[in-house]
Amino acid sequence: SYVLTQPPSLSVAPGKTATITCGGNKIGGKSVHWYQQKPGQAPVLVISYDSDRPSGIPERFSGSNSGNTATLTISRVEAGDEADYFCQVWDSSSDHPGYVFGTGTKVTVL
Amino acid sequence: QVQLVQSGAEVKKPGASVKVSCKASGYTFTNYGISWVRQAPGQGLEWMGWISAYNGYTNYAQKLQGRVTMTTDTSTSTAYMELRSLRSDDTALYYCARAPGDGSGAFDPWGQGALVTVSS
Repeated sequence: SYVLTQPPSLSVAPGKTATITCGGNKIGGKSVHWYQQKPGQAPVLVISYDSDRPSGIPERFSGSNSGNTATLTISRVEAGDEADYFCQVWDSSSDHPGYVFGTGTKVTVL
Repeated sequence: QVQLVQSGAEVKKPGASVKVSCKASGYTFTNYGISWVRQAPGQGLEWMGWISAYNGYTNYAQKLQGRVTMTTDTSTSTAYMELRSLRSDDTALYYCARAPGDGSGAFDPWGQGALVTVSS
């Protein structure tokens, strides 16, 4: 089955840039979606189809996808960005197509 | 606004079944699907399956095939997820999320989650 690998944790100072990676075999050929989950809350979509920002999501959130790595970038990080972030793809390559989530990255704002 | 409201917490014994509901509002229910995702305590997200609210077509995660059934009631814009033969490792928060009608694409929004605890 398809595997998405994320770094378990990332620490960033306020005002700096956080770069969260999501690795998968030829992930550049798939559409990647990103979710933010704050403690005790349901996930929220922050980036869809590699780089589209849903309504209400700050411009500080951006995404890219190429080769074997997709990336979520959070510019000018704020304390409120502290959360877990998950990537997601639709895997149609196996004999049982389905959604796959990344392992998740915990972002800590110093 | 688009909203998904789920049923409350459940405590079940091993071997029992649980049925979680997810009531949608703020959009045309039959234009989308509903995906179910679970999250064990302190763990990541696990996709369980998807159902089309248009025609009831389902796609279940291979791991749960045979134990899970997803249904919808279009008269009340409500989706249901039933999980049978519960085990302790089924203890998790169960989320529903609005998904595209073709079964692929992003989930937005999500319900608030329903905690299912499996314990003897």
